[in-house]
Amino acid sequence: GAGVSQSPRYKVAKRGQDVALRCDPISGHVSLFWYQQALGQGPEFLTYFQNEAQLDKSGLPSDRFFAERPEGSVSTLKIQRTQQEDSAVYLCASRKGAPTGELFFGEGSRLTVL
Amino acid sequence: QKEVEQNSGPLSVPEGAIASLNCTYSDRVSQSFFWYRQYSGKSPELIMSIYSNGDKEDGRFTAQLNKASQYVSLLIRDSQPSDSATYLCAVSDNQGGKLIFGQGTELSVKP
Repeated sequence: GAGVSQSPRYKVAKRGQDVALRCDPISGHVSLFWYQQALGQGPEFLTYFQNEAQLDKSGLPSDRFFAERPEGSVSTLKIQRTQQEDSAVYLCASRKGAPTGELFFGEGSRLTVL
Repeated sequence: QKEVEQNSGPLSVPEGAIASLNCTYSDRVSQSFFWYRQYSGKSPELIMSIYSNGDKEDGRFTAQLNKASQYVSLLIRDSQPSDSATYLCAVSDNQGGKLIFGQGTELSVKP
């Protein structure tokens, strides 16, 4: 596709449910990032992949958060046993190659935990 | 102390004025600096990148970087109502290329 695609755009979950958020990056983009953005705040780094390798997961807030990119393309962010504080917009971004290059963001997945 | 700090605003300027947005960062090894614009309910989009000390101009936008002071700024000349958005400063260390964002400054340009 032309841009980074994320699904679902909106997700409402009951506290304790598991959710899975999908990101389809721009074709050929090597690097993929997940960010969490709370209302009125800047994006907070969660994790980063280069191809299928997860190189940095230092931003994942707890072991309930898990991300994968098994074939180096589509990525899934999974949140187990959701809590109200997980409510946020989850942004996926991809980059073609060089660490100095531009990040292209998807429209985000808005998660609301009731 | 947050790694990247911005005034949250809102910053209000009249149409046609210069808007000045500021950002400081704490990690001295940072090498790449970016300004993203985010409209309400939308995703961030890149408007400027800067890698060396000094000024970089692109149309109505000028980014300024001072690595000694760990300071980066964005000037918007001839501000338009369509510039009203949140401006995010982002810093990368060039190793993994992870971007660290500030909290954003909300800009409002009044007609």
